[in-house]
Amino acid sequence: DTAVSQTPKYLVTQMGNDKSIKCEQNLGHDTMYWYKQDSKKFLKIMFSYNNKELIINETVPNRFSPKSPDKAHLNLHINSLELGDSAVYFCASSRGRTSGGYEQYFGPGTRLTVT
Amino acid sequence: GQSLEQPSEVTAVEGAIVQINCTYQTSGFYGLSWYQQHDGGAPTFLSYNALDGLEETGRFSSFLSRSDSYGYLLLQELQMKDSASYFCAVRGFQKLVFGTGTRLLVSP
Repeated sequence: DTAVSQTPKYLVTQMGNDKSIKCEQNLGHDTMYWYKQDSKKFLKIMFSYNNKELIINETVPNRFSPKSPDKAHLNLHINSLELGDSAVYFCASSRGRTSGGYEQYFGPGTRLTVT
Repeated sequence: GQSLEQPSEVTAVEGAIVQINCTYQTSGFYGLSWYQQHDGGAPTFLSYNALDGLEETGRFSSFLSRSDSYGYLLLQELQMKDSASYFCAVRGFQKLVFGTGTRLLVSP
């Protein structure tokens, strides 16, 4: 059983398009995250949700809109894609909220390439 | 704000011991986590220190000194499969802030 799953694994699209990435966790965790990992492997948090409530929004452009229909799912929609959005996007989950999620479980990642 | 520093790359041979250092500056600190990431893979949790001292998990150990804002990951009996990137991450309020990562290359 996959703990944290993401779809799609690869996404190639043109500038200006809109795309979505889906994430699901079956660990029963309360908190989910979206991270962006750039070409230099720098891993930066974008958003965090706890029980469907947005708790972290790290000054991400508003072209990025997360949605959490329930605590097991966190999706990421990106409008008007730009070249700089090319990266690997990871979904993660952890127990708790204020704990900062020191032990996070990551999905396999979605490699987004914008041409 | 928060900043973390790690060496960009470390090389070692199989069977050796290697230490990956992490220094941090942060406005809020609850602990230090370590993650491993193989090329093309996802980060996986290795270890966590909330208090000063050494935590041992099999071949891997992690150390924290809060007074020095410093920690390290110690990998013993290195194996080829340990070739990966290793990230320290500061646990702040409601989030982890990751370091820039250290690429470990293990040679035969």
